Amino acid sequence: GAGVSQSPSNKVTEKGKDVELRCDPISGHTALYWYRQSLGQGLEFLIYFQGNSAPDKSGLPSDRFSAERTGGSVSTLTIQRTQQEDSAVYLCASSPKTGLTLVETQYFGPGTRLLVL
Amino acid sequence: AQTVTQSQPEMSVQEAETVTLSCTYDTSESNYYLFWYKQPPSRQMILVIRQEAYKQQNATENRFSVNFQKAAKSFSLKISDSQLGDTAMYFCAFNSNYQLIWGAGTKLIIKP
Repeated sequence: GAGVSQSPSNKVTEKGKDVELRCDPISGHTALYWYRQSLGQGLEFLIYFQGNSAPDKSGLPSDRFSAERTGGSVSTLTIQRTQQEDSAVYLCASSPKTGLTLVETQYFGPGTRLLVL
Repeated sequence: AQTVTQSQPEMSVQEAETVTLSCTYDTSESNYYLFWYKQPPSRQMILVIRQEAYKQQNATENRFSVNFQKAAKSFSLKISDSQLGDTAMYFCAFNSNYQLIWGAGTKLIIKP
């Protein structure tokens, strides 16, 4: 079956422009996560969606960052007025909600590499 | 605060050798999960192995096994009979709910 997909694979933009990053989770997965990975670093949690519940936005670094998940499936991460420090790889993950374990394994997409010039 | 520490920024071994990657973590939780993920140059984050803290038996997946020491808050990954395809960044991660807390990673290079 298809895994998590993300688009675009790479994005180069100019400082001050807005960008939209897209994530298609695995079909049937109710949970969706966005992470940011700066060069040589581990992953930084950004936002979490679970079904129809209010998302956990506690990891968003500023109000320039926002995310939506329409119809409980596809998600879009939007960065407004991009800054050079926003340059990173943005990873999306999804997980099922089986109820069998406390924590479900997260399955990752290939990421979007964002470069802000 | 919950933290994950990987003290080896880079390691290099010959093909077919065994290598152990270190990971320590800090938490006050009693029930949680630990993961090792692999990230090759393709950027795809791939689950290698996971361990549930309430299970005393160490998890094993083919050539990959862990040494989980709960009291010491240590979770090392052993790769046996290493292969060229094992070359990647390896990340240790922890969670007790839905958020994964990540280490900074260890770059593993398998030499022919």
